[in-house]
Amino acid sequence: EAQVTQNPRYLITVTGKKLTVTCSQNMNHEYMSWYRQDPGLGLRQIYYSMNVEVTDKGDVPEGYKVSRKEKRNFPLILESPSPNQTSLYFCASSDSDSPLGEQYFGPGTRLTVT
Amino acid sequence: GNSVTQMEGPVTLSEEAFLTINCTYTATGYPSLFWYVQYPGEGLQLLLKATKADDKGSNKGFEATYRKETTSFHLEKGSVQVSDSAVYFCALSGNYGQNFVFGPGTRLSVLP
Repeated sequence: EAQVTQNPRYLITVTGKKLTVTCSQNMNHEYMSWYRQDPGLGLRQIYYSMNVEVTDKGDVPEGYKVSRKEKRNFPLILESPSPNQTSLYFCASSDSDSPLGEQYFGPGTRLTVT
Repeated sequence: GNSVTQMEGPVTLSEEAFLTINCTYTATGYPSLFWYVQYPGEGLQLLLKATKADDKGSNKGFEATYRKETTSFHLEKGSVQVSDSAVYFCALSGNYGQNFVFGPGTRLSVLP
């Protein structure tokens, strides 16, 4: 089954404790992206990657890191989480046609930073 | 850069009413256009798409036509159901390796 998986689905942590949210897709997509969704603010892009070893900042990259060492994985790293990073996070992937094809979304990770 | 504008919500309708959610875009070249839907507690899923001018995307009774002359991709449904209550996002992907852009989302509530 074609899918995007994220782990964990729910996470409660404390300020400053490094964490990683994993994202994996099995569709051989080149494009992957991370978004955060907050009430009243819609979907905001954090980082995206057009291919392995190619990443770029989205609209709200501060406080986040990503890496793309393999095509299927695109982890999101919070080196020192803060309460303002409490949010619902989505990973997505797409084929790399130009323009990009539809994005497939993971189920979301709800993060709470206390 | 590319951008997407959607009508502000929330939108509240009675069952069987006609739905229109407006979406306009700004983009260079020939973008692809999408509508995504997010049901309560779930992730986003593609509702419909159109990849070139005058294309009509349709799914589950929803339709949207890619209008290049008015740079619009309005979502319509002739008779909404309570189960259509969700947040709807208009989005585009541009040419030349450009990124995805989402609109802010429109929350729809359908009352029985």
